Formats: sequence, C-alpha cells, structure tokens
Amino acid sequence: QKEVEQDPGPLSVPEGAIVSLNCTYSNSAFQYFMWYRQYSRKGPELLMYTYSSGNKEDGRFTAQVDKSSKYISLFIRDSQPSDSATYLCAMSFVAGGTSYGKLTFGQGTILTVHP
Amino acid sequence: GAVVSQHPSRVICKSGTSVKIECRSLDFQATTMFWYRQFPKKSLMLMATSNEGSKATYEQGVEKDKFLINHASLTLSTLTVTSAHPEDSSFYICSALGADTQYFGPGTRLTVL
Repeated sequence: QKEVEQDPGPLSVPEGAIVSLNCTYSNSAFQYFMWYRQYSRKGPELLMYTYSSGNKEDGRFTAQVDKSSKYISLFIRDSQPSDSATYLCAMSFVAGGTSYGKLTFGQGTILTVHP
Repeated sequence: GAVVSQHPSRVICKSGTSVKIECRSLDFQATTMFWYRQFPKKSLMLMATSNEGSKATYEQGVEKDKFLINHASLTLSTLTVTSAHPEDSSFYICSALGADTQYFGPGTRLTVL
C-alpha cells in the first residue's frame, strides 16, 4: 500500500463545474498538507498549504483536511479551462529531524476543464 | 516571493557526457534543497536532499556517483549527471525549502542521445 493514494483520473469537467480532488494517506504522523498544481512541462506550483485538520479557503480553492479519516480534499469552484493541469497532493511530517521538509506525493490527478 | 529558478530549462547531450543543472532560490535563502526526477504522467520521485555545506543525502536506489550534488551556498544547488546515458533522459526538478514548505523550480528537460 502506498503511503499516499490519489486517483490519477483523468478527470474531465465542463467550465463552471465544481471539482473535487482527494487523497488518502496511511501515516498518521503527517501534519502538513499541501496541494500543488503542475502544468505540462513545468514545475509544481504551490496552491494550498494547511496544517493539521480543518478548512482553508483561497479564492476559488478550498482545502480540507480530516486527520481522523486520513483524508484530504481540494475543491475548485467555478472551474476554468486555465485550471486544466495535474494536481498533486503532498504531505510532510512535523518540523525537525532528518525527515524535515521532505514531501510525500500522491500520484497526481490530471484535470481537464473544457469550455 | 519564494521563486526558484533552474538552468538550463532544456538540454540535449551525447551519451557519455556530463550535464550540470543549477537550482537557485532567488528571493530567499534555502539551507535545504531537493532534487526530483519525473517521468511522463508520473509523480515526482525524490532523488536526494541537498544541505548547504554538507554532503547530500540520497534516496535508496539513486547512485550518488552518477548524480553529483553540490550545495555550495544558501541560494544555489547543482546536480551533475555524470556519463549520461539515454536512460537518464527525464525531467529533473529542484525545490528549495522555505519557511513552510517546498517551492519548486520550473524543471530541466534532459535528453541524452
């Protein structure tokens, strides 16, 4: 079993739809949770960063973390064609130690928003 | 803020040559940088952790003599692919550890003929 599981998709939605992306994980020691967006042939771009359980909203993006279920989500409202990209969830342990800052990634979900 | 650059963005080389890729944090200092490799439609695979002023820590299965990493300053880490072969062709991405998480460079596409 992989430490972080993410449905690779591909996911295709019409413009304006609400998109839900999800990851599950097995290691309860993860404390920091991130979502990255990666356009083709580009490096990942940090979208959302959350610590522990709860919700965080930034414009059209909402990140949710449920540590009790070991489940994180990213919601995109009013999706646009420019949101078409690969979305990677990532998580890390508490600060300090030899694992400090190391990220464990999901497989990435390919999203296409068509006009 | 939190901008990371990579150079070159693309390189084509002959088999047997060495290629150096630079990773720079432009507006912050990074004690720790990471090097990843990514295959088409796959997630990022961590190759090594680069710490300023000390030897890099390589992930299991990554040849340290093949992928030389130098982190000579708080804003620069380099990855040298030595005696490159076609199977080394890939997308190489670096990241720099900021105050809260990693910030990624734009990647370097390496093609070995």
